[in-house]
Amino acid sequence: QVQLQESGPGLVKPSETLSLTCAVSGGSIGPYYWSWIRQSPGRGVEWIGYISNIGRTNYNYSLRSRVTISVDMSRNRVSLTLSSVTAADTAVYYCARQHDLLWFDPWGQGALVTVSS
Amino acid sequence: QSVLTQPASASGTPGQRVTISCSGSTSNIGSNAVAWYQQLPGTAPKPLVFKNNQRPSGVPDRFSGSRSGTSASLAISGLQSEDEADYYCAAWDDSLNAWVFGGGTKLTV
Repeated sequence: QVQLQESGPGLVKPSETLSLTCAVSGGSIGPYYWSWIRQSPGRGVEWIGYISNIGRTNYNYSLRSRVTISVDMSRNRVSLTLSSVTAADTAVYYCARQHDLLWFDPWGQGALVTVSS
Repeated sequence: QSVLTQPASASGTPGQRVTISCSGSTSNIGSNAVAWYQQLPGTAPKPLVFKNNQRPSGVPDRFSGSRSGTSASLAISGLQSEDEADYYCAAWDDSLNAWVFGGGTKLTV
């Protein structure tokens, strides 16, 4: 049973960089796509981007200039960085395994990130 | 404003059948498979339906999905109190080259 666990700072200052890691246990990162998704009261559920099994990335157009998703195969981890954050980036951030262009399963439990000085 | 449109709320009594709709366009629901997620308070979304009408292992057959044209729906029969949650639809959008989600429907039992 694959399980995902997000981790990272819960508080980030405006204009700084948000960094989160998703640890994958119970299975290999290898053959799958991995997505980051965030959820906030104001913006609802918003897809951030994915990384494919061959390292190809695809980002939400609205975040493209600020986001990077990477994979560390040796540590079975997926990472997210989002630069120049503002209060609008305050959200619960989820990592999820993506099955082609079909669905997300499983999801991590989520990490709340607050952007505030 | 979400790309996929869902009613903000729905309600039913125990044992009833409830349907939640999800309206999109030719570039998302009209072209790609729809998935449905259930989110209980304080938890991550959990998949209920994928590929329009397939249920992941462990999901009761009380939950069923369908798609027609640019719309999809989730039906919940034999409503139970534990079904009280938020429900989201999602699909890939070929024009946006991105995943799009509905705004969510809060189901009250």
